[in-house]
Amino acid sequence: DQQVKQNSPSLSVQEGRISILNCDYTNSMFDYFLWYKKYPAEGPTFLISISSIKDKNEDGRFTVFLNKSAKHLSLHIVPSQPGDSAVYFCAASYNYGQNFVFGPGTRLSVLP
Amino acid sequence: DAMVIQNPRYQVTQFGKPVTLSCSQTLNHNVMYWYQQKSSQAPKLLFHYYDKDFNNEADTPDNFQSRRPNTSFCFLDIRSPGLGDAAMYLCATSRASGSDTQYFGPGTRLTVL
Repeated sequence: DQQVKQNSPSLSVQEGRISILNCDYTNSMFDYFLWYKKYPAEGPTFLISISSIKDKNEDGRFTVFLNKSAKHLSLHIVPSQPGDSAVYFCAASYNYGQNFVFGPGTRLSVLP
Repeated sequence: DAMVIQNPRYQVTQFGKPVTLSCSQTLNHNVMYWYQQKSSQAPKLLFHYYDKDFNNEADTPDNFQSRRPNTSFCFLDIRSPGLGDAAMYLCATSRASGSDTQYFGPGTRLTVL
């Protein structure tokens, strides 16, 4: 039973345009969410997080939006750059616990 | 100046032959995690240590064990690897439990022949 879903296994975007990566979750107890980026042959690296008391968090070109009623979050990258090409994982936890549940990832390709 | 180091990066073992994967960290973090990631799937938490306190996920097979002899090192022992245990094994650390960011190593890809 997948509690965290990323329904798009891959996404291609033109350089300079917006990339939108989506994540849905089923457990309404989740209260903290993170996005990780993973390059080939490397471990995931933390990108941005959001807690359930907020609906938006911004860090440079990266913005995460949280819609609690829809149990949906999205990561926006503006403008997209070729170096953003990677696999992006959404992760969620509850009670701010250490047991994060990861989604299966979305492979983003930013085309020059 | 690698922060979370995993050795080896690639490990080949035979069916049923015990194997140990290692992880070390230079961050002096209290918490260390082991994840299993199979192809195109989400990383799955196997267990974690908070200092010396071991926490096993309920669905982690008994075939998987872990040791943390000190703050810097953590080992994953697979006592009798099966073909289904072939995967990428990721080690991660965090300063504390809770919502603290996890820092991942590059992973060890395990092949079982």
